[in-house]
Amino acid sequence: NAGVTQTPKFQVLKTGQSMTLQCAQDMNHEYMSWYRQDPGMGLRLIHYSVGAGITDQGEVPNGYNVSRSTTEDFPLRLLSAAPSQTSVYFCASSQVTGELFFGEGSRLTVL
Amino acid sequence: SQKIEQNSEALNIQEGKTATLTCNYTNYSPAYLQWYRQDPGRGPVFLLLIRENEKEKRKERLKVTFDTTLKQSLFHITASQPADSATYLCALDKAGNNRKLIWGLGTSLAVNP
Repeated sequence: NAGVTQTPKFQVLKTGQSMTLQCAQDMNHEYMSWYRQDPGMGLRLIHYSVGAGITDQGEVPNGYNVSRSTTEDFPLRLLSAAPSQTSVYFCASSQVTGELFFGEGSRLTVL
Repeated sequence: SQKIEQNSEALNIQEGKTATLTCNYTNYSPAYLQWYRQDPGRGPVFLLLIRENEKEKRKERLKVTFDTTLKQSLFHITASQPADSATYLCALDKAGNNRKLIWGLGTSLAVNP
C-alpha cells in the first residue's frame, strides 16, 4: 500500500517556467488537497478536491491550477513560476473527514 | 479570522518525563481538532483527532484534551523517548470535513536521553 505518492521530490525552475507536481493516492480517498509549507507561515492550503471533477480554492490559490479527472490523481500546475513560489509542497488525502495522509513533499526552488 | 497559537519556543525535556504541548485558538470552536507529528524533511503524520463534544482522547502514550471554554487543546506524551523528538502540529477543522483546515506553526520537541 503506497499511500500518497508525490513526484518529483526536488525541482529547480527558472522564473516564468511552468511545471506540474504529481500526486497519486491508492486509498480510494475522495478528498485530496495541496499545501505549501514555508518557514514562519505553516501549512497553507492551495487547492482541494472532494471528488473527481470537483475542485475548489484554498487560502493561497493564485498562480496554481488543479484538476481531478480521476479519484487517484490530483496534479498541481504552476503556470508561470515566480520566486515567491519557492516552497515545500505537500499533497494530502483523506476520506470525507478525519485523518489526513500526506505525501513526502516536493521541494521547489524558483530562481 | 481564526488564529492558532502553539508554543513558539522549542520544548526540551528529559527522557521519561511527560511532554505537554499547547494549541490555543482565538475565534470559533472547531468541529474537530487534529494533532500531527512532522519529522525534518518528511510530511506530517496523523496522531489524534478530538471532536468538540469530547473532553479527552487517548492513544497509547498520547493524550489530547479539548477545552472549548478556554479555547485550548493540550497534547501530552507520557514516558517520553528520544524517538518522540519532532515538530508537533495542531490543525482546526471548522466544519469537520477537512475542506479548509487551519494549521498552527508547530512546536519543536526535543527529548534528551
